[in-house]
Amino acid sequence: GDSVTQMEGPVTLSEEAFLTINCTYTATGYPSLFWYVQYPGEGLQLLLKATKADDKGSNKGFEATYRKETTSFHLEKGSVQVSDSAVYFCALLNTGFQKLVFGTGTRLLVSP
Amino acid sequence: DVKVTQSSRYLVKRTGEKVFLECVQDMDHENMFWYRQDPGLGLRLIYFSYDVKMKEKGDIPEGYSVSREKKERFSLILESASTNQTSMYLCASSRVAGGYSEQFFGPGTRLTVL
Repeated sequence: GDSVTQMEGPVTLSEEAFLTINCTYTATGYPSLFWYVQYPGEGLQLLLKATKADDKGSNKGFEATYRKETTSFHLEKGSVQVSDSAVYFCALLNTGFQKLVFGTGTRLLVSP
Repeated sequence: DVKVTQSSRYLVKRTGEKVFLECVQDMDHENMFWYRQDPGLGLRLIYFSYDVKMKEKGDIPEGYSVSREKKERFSLILESASTNQTSMYLCASSRVAGGYSEQFFGPGTRLTVL
């Protein structure tokens, strides 16, 4: 079945450091890919998405490119802030379905 | 502003109790979902509903049931709570669309079963 694998956390960075959180997937067909963020004490929010190969999703300084050849959707940000501390989930949704498949989540901790 | 609300943020129940978790959305969405979130396991789908009185099993439905009598409300029921159902429960909703439709999440209910 479909699955998403993302790097274990926590990822600990200093403010203004470069961030990469790796995500790879296994799926039949041509899924859409997503990054969700969960701030402390809150539900999940959609951060960005990409619906076809080579698409780049971006939001709030975060970016991710849908790479079909490597089945990856790595999350990047050039300069993280303390307010980016959260749990980040990679997810996929296959064509014709409304059910998301989530990775296990990666906690990001940014210190001043 | 889009809103999904859940009846409780924190809940403590005893083994064997019947537990109701309520979710309400104000966006007139057709789809509603219940997930549980556990460390190291991410989010796993328990049940979802495409319409009033319609329900479909997700990946881990055992020990749970659901009810959707009104479009805006989706309830998760633990018929006889057990300690392995201690978890964070998240509700979400989305509209019906040809392609992907964003899921909006509630703040979650942290349930502890003693």
